[in-house]
Parts: sequence; C-alpha cells; structure tokens
Amino acid sequence: GNSVTQMEGPVTLSEEAFLTINCTYTATGYPSLFWYVQYPGEGLQLLLKATKADDKGSNKGFEATYRKETTSFHLEKGSVQVSDSAVYFCALRANNAGNMLTFGGGTRLMVKP
Amino acid sequence: EAQVTQNPRYLITVTGKKLTVTCSQNMNHEYMSWYRQDPGLGLRQIYYSMNVEVTDKGDVPEGYKVSRKEKRNFPLILESPSPNQTSLYFCASSSADSLAQYFGPGTRLTVL
Repeated sequence: GNSVTQMEGPVTLSEEAFLTINCTYTATGYPSLFWYVQYPGEGLQLLLKATKADDKGSNKGFEATYRKETTSFHLEKGSVQVSDSAVYFCALRANNAGNMLTFGGGTRLMVKP
Repeated sequence: EAQVTQNPRYLITVTGKKLTVTCSQNMNHEYMSWYRQDPGLGLRQIYYSMNVEVTDKGDVPEGYKVSRKEKRNFPLILESPSPNQTSLYFCASSSADSLAQYFGPGTRLTVL
C-alpha cells in the first residue's frame, strides 16, 4: 500500500536558520505529492505541491522537489521565522485514488526568536 | 468567503450515545472527506464521497457512518461512540479537477 514517512519532531530552530524536513514515500506509479501546514488551533492548509518527477513546488519561501529516484519530497526553507512555527504534513495522492490523501505523521516545527 | 465549516468544534460525550458531526462547504466541491488526527499517526481517512449519494470507505471506517444527500453537506455519524474514537476530526473538500483539499477547522471529540 501507499505510505509516507516523515522525520519525527519536534524540530527546534532559531529565527533565520535553515530548515529541512525529510519526507519519503512508497507508492505505485507516479503519485502527486503535497506539503500541508497546520497552525495551532486550525485546520490544515495546502502549502505546496508537485505532480511529476523533478517538479519543484514553492510557496511562502518554502520549497520541495519531487525526487522519483529517491522517492523523496523534502521540505526546505532558507530562513525560518517565528511565524513558521506549526505542524507540517507530507502527503501523497496516488493516481487512481480519487481525492484520497495518505499523510505522514507530521513534524512539529518550533522557531525561537 | 470560501470555507469548510464543522460543528461542533468541541464535544465531550459518553460511550454509546449517538452523535453527529456536521460538515458543510460553500465551494460547490464534488469531493468531500473525513479524517481523524491522532498523535504520531498523522491524518487517516475515515470515509470519502465523490459526489451526492456516492460514498466509500477510507483507511479507518469502523465505527463510523456518513451520508451525502446534498452536495454541500457531509455529516459524520457515530452510532455508538467508544473511547478509542476520542480524536481530532477534520472534514475536507475539493473539486474534481483540483489537487488541493480544503480543510475545516476541526472537531475535538472526547468519549468518556
């Protein structure tokens, strides 16, 4: 079956530090890949997505590149801010899965001033 | 404003007392889903619906029911809640031609 594995948190960084949150997946074919962000007390929001190999999704300074050869979709940001503190979820949607998403366990990011 | 709404936001109940969590979207989306979020497990899909009167099981459907009588509404029904259904529940919707899902604010359910 399909699965998504994320690095466990929490990840604690100082403001302006470089961020990487690792995500690897298992799926047949060529799934679409997503990063969602959940701010405290809120629902999930789509952060970025990529639909085919070598695509780079980007939004709000965050980036992730769809790497088919390593089945990875790592999230990066060059300089984090306190306002980036949230839980980040990596997810995939298989080609024949309708709107069904498979999520990773989530990674909590804490950014200190 | 485009949104997904859920009610109630918080609910404490007792084992065996039937409850319904409502979900409504105003974006005319075809797809709607219910997820539960548990620590370390991420979100797991309970049920989904591809359109009115079309529903199907997700990864963890046991103990839940859904219905889709109208396009905008997708209620989640727990006929006989048990403590292992204590969780944070999210409803989501998306259009048939979009990859992005829109999530509601969540319903925190505690079953004593």
